[in-house]
Amino acid sequence: EVQLVESGGGLVQPGRSLRLSCAASGFTFDDYAMHWVRQAPGKGLEWVSGISWNSGSIGYADSVKGRFTISRDNAKNSLYLQMNSLRAEDTALYYCAKDKGSGYDLRYFDYWGQGTLVTVSS
Amino acid sequence: EIVLTQSPATLSLSPGERATLSCRASQSVSSYLAWYQQKPGQAPRLLIYDASNRATGIPARFSGSGSGTDFTLTISSLEPEDFAVYYCQQRGTFGQGTKLEIK
Repeated sequence: EVQLVESGGGLVQPGRSLRLSCAASGFTFDDYAMHWVRQAPGKGLEWVSGISWNSGSIGYADSVKGRFTISRDNAKNSLYLQMNSLRAEDTALYYCAKDKGSGYDLRYFDYWGQGTLVTVSS
Repeated sequence: EIVLTQSPATLSLSPGERATLSCRASQSVSSYLAWYQQKPGQAPRLLIYDASNRATGIPARFSGSGSGTDFTLTISSLEPEDFAVYYCQQRGTFGQGTKLEIK
């Protein structure tokens, strides 16, 4: 059974940093691209970032480019999101999502975690 | 940047009825489009990818069609568990969602 478990969320002040983690199990992690997708309270879905199976291709939404960094450790079956210079508008539930394929380009998310909540507020 | 516009915003139907949800892209996306279902308090679930392919475990009452700029998600006969929010998605862009509610 595929499982994705996010951690690392919490309350943080504007301008500070936070690192999210996603522990994956139940599939061959290094065969698939992985993504972060967020959802602000009461709002729709927003793709944040994606990384191909071997970290060779990485992409970011314009809203986080230059502030967020995605990475993965295939030996640990883990995905990460380093979030710097956080803003109030980054407040959201952050989901880790598995791609159907190895490249991150098509971005079909076939499995999702339950999310970790990030609140940016003073 | 591609914009996806979903209609209607809210759809009120009864169990057993047919639901037709629309997603329009601001430019051609070929058949590279997915549909997701999200229930309150839950993560989204992939229903359809490549416009018309059902994801693993998705019931046959869900079907997708379209190509280019106009896409449709059809639920042939609504079950009580189908009432949820539905999103279309193309690469890094999601539509704003259609809420399917019980009439």
